[in-house]
Amino acid sequence: EVQLVESGGSLVQPGGSLRLSCAASGFTFTSYWMHWVRRSPGKGLVWVSRINTDATFTSYADSVKGRFAISRDNARNTLYLQMDSLRAADTAVYYCAISGYGDSNLEYWGQGTLVTVSS
Amino acid sequence: SDDLTQPPSVSVSPGQTARITCSGDTLPKKYVYWYQQKSGQAPVPVIYEDNKRPSGIPERFSGSTSGTMATLTISGAQVDDEADYYCYSIDSNDNPRFGGGTKLTVL
Repeated sequence: EVQLVESGGSLVQPGGSLRLSCAASGFTFTSYWMHWVRRSPGKGLVWVSRINTDATFTSYADSVKGRFAISRDNARNTLYLQMDSLRAADTAVYYCAISGYGDSNLEYWGQGTLVTVSS
Repeated sequence: SDDLTQPPSVSVSPGQTARITCSGDTLPKKYVYWYQQKSGQAPVPVIYEDNKRPSGIPERFSGSTSGTMATLTISGAQVDDEADYYCYSIDSNDNPRFGGGTKLTVL
């Protein structure tokens, strides 16, 4: 059974940093692209970032480019999102998801972790 | 524009057909995917590659495309289908993008 478990969300002040993790199991981690998607309160889903199978390619939404960094540890079956210079607008539930290719279906999703940016 | 445009809300009575549209300039060249998100839950794919249904998704869910428009159709909508629905595709910069989402009400 595919399992994606996010962690690391918390309350952080504007300008602060946070690192999210997504622990994966039940599938061959190295065969899948990984994504982060977020949903802010009262708003819709927003794609945030993706990384390919061997971490040689990454891409970001314009809203987080230069502030967020996606990475993965294939030995630990874990995906990360380093978030710096956080803003109130980054407040959201962050989900990790997997796809077979960079532009294909987000087949499985985790349950999400809440990040709140507030003073 | 790279935006994917969806109506904010659609409302139908149980048993009626619900149609949710998604328009975007890149849709003639890129696949569209549809996701269902119920309150407090993670999104679930209901249509992939324009018109394919993942295993476990009821046959009443179908997808179609025509030019710059994609449509998710729920034939004989049920109360349990109440959720937010999102289209998803790739923009002209080759980055993924979601539509704004459509709240489906079945009552």
